[in-house]
Amino acid sequence: NAGVTQTPKFQVLKTGQSMTLQCAQDMNHEYMSWYRQDPGMGLRLIHYSVGAGITDQGEVPNGYNVSRSTTEDFPLRLLSAAPSQTSVYFCASSYGNRPGGIQYFGAGTRLSVL
Amino acid sequence: DAKTTQPPSMDCAEGRAANLPCNHSTISGNEYVYWYRQIHSQGPQYIIHGLKNNETNEMASLIITEDRKSSTLILPHATLRDTAVYYCIVPQYNNNDMRFGAGTRLTVKP
Repeated sequence: NAGVTQTPKFQVLKTGQSMTLQCAQDMNHEYMSWYRQDPGMGLRLIHYSVGAGITDQGEVPNGYNVSRSTTEDFPLRLLSAAPSQTSVYFCASSYGNRPGGIQYFGAGTRLSVL
Repeated sequence: DAKTTQPPSMDCAEGRAANLPCNHSTISGNEYVYWYRQIHSQGPQYIIHGLKNNETNEMASLIITEDRKSSTLILPHATLRDTAVYYCIVPQYNNNDMRFGAGTRLTVKP
């Protein structure tokens, strides 16, 4: 049972480049979410999804896009990377179609934008 | 909104109980309290949750006051491996808010 898998684990981008952070879960969870964590701070919600085809914005959505074509996958796209997006990104999933519940987190993607 | 307030840091001696407080004075009647922890830079790990009754599992105990305005996470016999940042969260179902805040950095000392 893999749980929540994030790829890549590390990434370095140049300002203006785009990329997609991958997130996959094998627990058939409806709710999935993306967070970013800046040094010394808590997690901030970027986007979330309550099921395939349904996404919505969290606390800090600007500069990011998401889609949910399947229950398993919830990719996060950086449209034009900026140094302010240097952070650690965590994907999470939970049972049910609303926040709360027991969330399972991936190991994170550490992103540096130069 | 049920915002939570936690002390930024706490120390605990190895083998002793660690008691981590959380204030959630604006919590609504149907909102749960969840606790997670984050070791180093790993993804947060679920610990325990509760609504109004005290809860216990293999990791910890959760004590919620009768008025539900505060709670305490208890690690009964803290070990060095329990050194982590502990987050108290009250998910906001009406606006899908799941904010973690800064948490409490617990340092278990030998």
